[in-house]
This record gives sequence, C-alpha cells and structure tokens, in this order.
Amino acid sequence: DIVMTQTPLSSPVTLGQPASISCRSSQSLLHSDGNTYLSWLQQRPGQPPRLLIYQISNRFSGVPDRFSGSGAGTDFTLKISRVEAEDVGIYYCTQGTQFPRTFGQGTKVEIK
Amino acid sequence: EVHLVESGGGLVKPGGSLRLSCAASGFTFYTYTMNWVRQAPGKGLEWVSSITSVSTYIYYAASVKDRFTISRDNAKNSLYLEMNSLRAEDTAVYYCARDPPDWNGFDYWGQGTLVTVSS
Repeated sequence: DIVMTQTPLSSPVTLGQPASISCRSSQSLLHSDGNTYLSWLQQRPGQPPRLLIYQISNRFSGVPDRFSGSGAGTDFTLKISRVEAEDVGIYYCTQGTQFPRTFGQGTKVEIK
Repeated sequence: EVHLVESGGGLVKPGGSLRLSCAASGFTFYTYTMNWVRQAPGKGLEWVSSITSVSTYIYYAASVKDRFTISRDNAKNSLYLEMNSLRAEDTAVYYCARDPPDWNGFDYWGQGTLVTVSS
C-alpha cells in the first residue's frame, strides 16, 4: 500500500499569512498512463471533505486562487497564499494512482 | 448540480448487519466510478470500497474485505454498501464519493451517514 505522510500535523497561522503543507508518498505517484493522481481535500469542522486540488496542481471548480499545489513523484505541497478565517479545518492529501486509495493523516490549520 | 445523499446508518450490535445507500443526482450516474470512504470519530479518512460504472471492477480495503459488499443500481442512480459481521472499529461516518470522469480521485462527496457498532 502507498503510505501518505503529511507534515506538519498542526499549523497555527496568523490571518493573512501564508501556510504550507507537505505530503510525501512512500512510492512514486506517477501512473502508467503518465498522470500523477495526487489531490488535496479540505474538511471544515462538521462538514464532509471538499476537493481543492487534483492532479497535483489543478484547482477544482470554485476553489479560490489563494490555494495552489505543486510537486512531483513522491513530494507534494499545498500552499495557501493568505490564510482566511474560512480556511480553518483539516487538510488531507490522497492518492488515486493505485488501489487501495490512501490518505495522509491530515493537517489541522487553525488561526493563531 | 451534483448531489450525493447517504442513508441507512444507525446503531447496530457487534456481529450485526446494515445496508447503506447513496442516492445520486445531477450527473449521469451510470458512467462514473463510485466509492465509499469512512471516518471514525475524531480520526482521518479511510477508503473502504470502489465500484466501476457497470460494476466490472470492484475493490475493497483489507479491513472490510469478505465482510462488506459494494453494489450499485444504475437504473435507480443508487450506490449501496452491505455491511456484515460489524465490529466496534467499523464505527464511523460513511461517505459516498464520486470518481471524476478523467482522473482518479474523489471530486464530490455526500454529507455522510453515521454507523455506530456497540452493544
């Protein structure tokens, strides 16, 4: 199974300041079809997960442009350029390259 | 607009059974791979099972294999999860999630249904 490891697990951030979350996979997420199926989810308190970023760096419909994704192979990053109050929640990376699908442990973003 | 609505959760005793349903609307259900993902109280996300558009391929997490059965009825735009031999560790919110058409992952999620396994 592909193990997804996120750091940090908690990220206290000042409003308006940037935040960054790292996700590392135990093996390359490059699929045999040439795509890398790494996506990022946001889960606000009491809500289901919501897709933010797919295939490393593509923002999903309706996602603000302060969210961006980057990386390749086994190392990926989610960045929030300027954290807003509505960004509080837990962020998960997940891979769709092979079954079983796996998730990172989650990173809690909170306001200082 | 894509809508996924889970139902069927509740309290069940260890060893018992439960059937979850997910009603889909707002998209051509029969063309999409669908998934179940669960989240134990206060814990992270765990993929449970996936089924391709016409049920050709089915996948399970090792933790539920041989106990859970995923199925779908494309005529009813519905996804199901039959859960048998339930254990305390199966206690979780169960989400129905859609696979997007041209990449592998989860693009839309339902609100979830809570399953509690306790005596």
